[in-house]
Amino acid sequence: EIVLTQSPGTLSLSPGERATLSCRASQSVTSTYLAWYQQKPGQAPRLLIHGASSRATGIPDRFSGSGSGTDFTLTISRLEPEDFAVYYCQQCGSSSRLHTFGQGTKLEIK
Amino acid sequence: EELLVQSGAEVKKPGESLKISCKGFGKTLTNSWVGWVRQMPGKGLEWMGIIYPGDSDTRYSPSFQGQVTISADRSISTAYLQWSSLKASDTGMYYCARHFNSWSSPDLWGQGTLVTVSS
Repeated sequence: EIVLTQSPGTLSLSPGERATLSCRASQSVTSTYLAWYQQKPGQAPRLLIHGASSRATGIPDRFSGSGSGTDFTLTISRLEPEDFAVYYCQQCGSSSRLHTFGQGTKLEIK
Repeated sequence: EELLVQSGAEVKKPGESLKISCKGFGKTLTNSWVGWVRQMPGKGLEWMGIIYPGDSDTRYSPSFQGQVTISADRSISTAYLQWSSLKASDTGMYYCARHFNSWSSPDLWGQGTLVTVSS
């Protein structure tokens, strides 16, 4: 089973700043199967990025994803107040077809 | 409108059984898979398993194999998650989510079902 490790655990930034969140896999991940989610308190997760770099429908262009192999990044170019939340990366193993999530990064207002 | 609607919150005692549901409205689950995700209080997301309602092909995370049963009724576009004997450690929020195929990332989520197991 592929393990996803996200860093940092908590990121403290101010609105207008740039956020860079990291997701590292224990073995190579097919980019097609790598996604990022946002979760706010009391809400279900929301798909932001799929296929490592494709924004889901309705997601603002300040959100972008990049990376390949074992290292992936979610970047929020200019933080808006509504962006402060917990972010998870997620993958599906190409041979196992089993999905896993990272442990999450909490993005908090500084 | 595409929508997944889950059954309501449950309060159970240890040892009791439980079956929660996830219904897709309209064509939400047509030719799609349904996955289940656990979120324990204050913790992260854990993928439990996935089912294709069309033929009930089911796969489980090793962490949840044997602990829960995932099933579906294609005729009513509903997937289920069940426990035969609940433990206090099963307390948490359970989400269903749609996958277009077994390897794709879930794109549409239910609102969650809170399960509380306490004596």
